[in-house]
Amino acid sequence: KAGVTQTPRYLIKTRGQQVTLSCSPISGHRSVSWYQQTPGQGLQFLFEYFSETQRNKGNFPGRFSGRQFSNSRSEMNVSTLELGDSALYLCASSSPTTGEGYTFGSGTRLTVV
Amino acid sequence: GQQLNQSPQSMFIQEGEDVSMNCTSSSIFNTWLWYKQEPGEGPVLLIALYKAGELTSNGRLTAQFGITRKDSFLNISASIPSDVGIYFCAGESNTGNQFYFGTGTSLTVIP
Repeated sequence: KAGVTQTPRYLIKTRGQQVTLSCSPISGHRSVSWYQQTPGQGLQFLFEYFSETQRNKGNFPGRFSGRQFSNSRSEMNVSTLELGDSALYLCASSSPTTGEGYTFGSGTRLTVV
Repeated sequence: GQQLNQSPQSMFIQEGEDVSMNCTSSSIFNTWLWYKQEPGEGPVLLIALYKAGELTSNGRLTAQFGITRKDSFLNISASIPSDVGIYFCAGESNTGNQFYFGTGTSLTVIP
């Protein structure tokens, strides 16, 4: 089966701009979680969506937001980009019925200049 | 948010050696997972553990769910160059729906 697909793979934005990242989960997976990964901070949880509702939220400012559509695809938006937002953004999907934990996408590498 | 203590932070070993790394938490977890991440890619699940005391193998990899439910261990036997990467542990809390990740162990295998 197809894995978790994240688009785009790479993105360069200017400070102050906004960005939208996309994640298509594995078919049948209804939970989508987003993580920010930086060399110094490791994997930091952003938020989790299940059936179009945000179920959990990490400790990130309001500039970071997300949503999930009825087909379980999810988008993450960052407004007013800062240099410190440069990171690998990972999306992971899971299914509570299989208990297989997360399956991650390859991530979107965001560089803010 | 909660973060797990993973050690060691990095390892440099000779090809053929065995590797051990562990993860500890102040909280009890229902599930422990071990992932490997290679450069430019997302983490890939290696082993999942669902019961205290469980010992599970995947090829040369063996992981254990600690009896106290607050720790987990990963061992790699007879390391090879393709074992290079960052290994992460992850635990699912009692409340479910969220996994907490360790800080990662960077493994370098010297041929």
